[in-house]
Amino acid sequence: SQTIHQWPATLVQPVGSPLSLECTVEGTSNPNLYWYRQAAGRGLQLLFYSVGIGQISSEVPQNLSASRPQDRQFILSSKKLLLSDSGFYLCAWTGGAGRGYTFGSGTRLTVV
Amino acid sequence: AQSVTQLDSQVPVFEEAPVELRCNYSSSVSVYLFWYVQYPNQGLQLLLKYLSGSTLVKGINGFEAEFNKSQTSFHLRKPSVHISDTAEYFCAVSEQGGSEKLVFGKGTKLTVNP
Repeated sequence: SQTIHQWPATLVQPVGSPLSLECTVEGTSNPNLYWYRQAAGRGLQLLFYSVGIGQISSEVPQNLSASRPQDRQFILSSKKLLLSDSGFYLCAWTGGAGRGYTFGSGTRLTVV
Repeated sequence: AQSVTQLDSQVPVFEEAPVELRCNYSSSVSVYLFWYVQYPNQGLQLLLKYLSGSTLVKGINGFEAEFNKSQTSFHLRKPSVHISDTAEYFCAVSEQGGSEKLVFGKGTKLTVNP
């Protein structure tokens, strides 16, 4: 069966520090991968998606970047965090149209 | 492009009462429809989905939803809620035959009171 792993679960980082969040999928190949952010009291904002290794599409301009170095690995990064980067970050994958997404358990990022 | 409107941001109900969470969508093509549930500090879990066929879809935890093409709606219902149903619920849509990208509504916070 397919599983998705996301870590860390919580993270407190100072302003200006770097960020690396990792997401991996097991039990499938060539998934479409997504990074979402959920700010307090707001809906889900799609940040990046990837349809293959090295292929990244950005949905909104921001202080973050994403990479897909391997088929089932998706990384969210920042060189210098801002206070506004605080939020709940969710990774998701899908294996085909109509299947919907399977989400990871999320990372709560607090920038202080 | 598709869009999703969840008409209620918060819905308070008493335990064992029925509940309906409303969702309307807009799309120029046929769509797939989904409902997700999110418990505090957790990821989203798929409740149910409509792909084709019967317009009444049954999901996990006793929830069901009805697809109404003429009204472009996909409302979520449960005849009797429990305290444990307290969570946020998201409606989502994707195009049939198009990108797999899901477009989400802003969510409805369901609070079940004793």
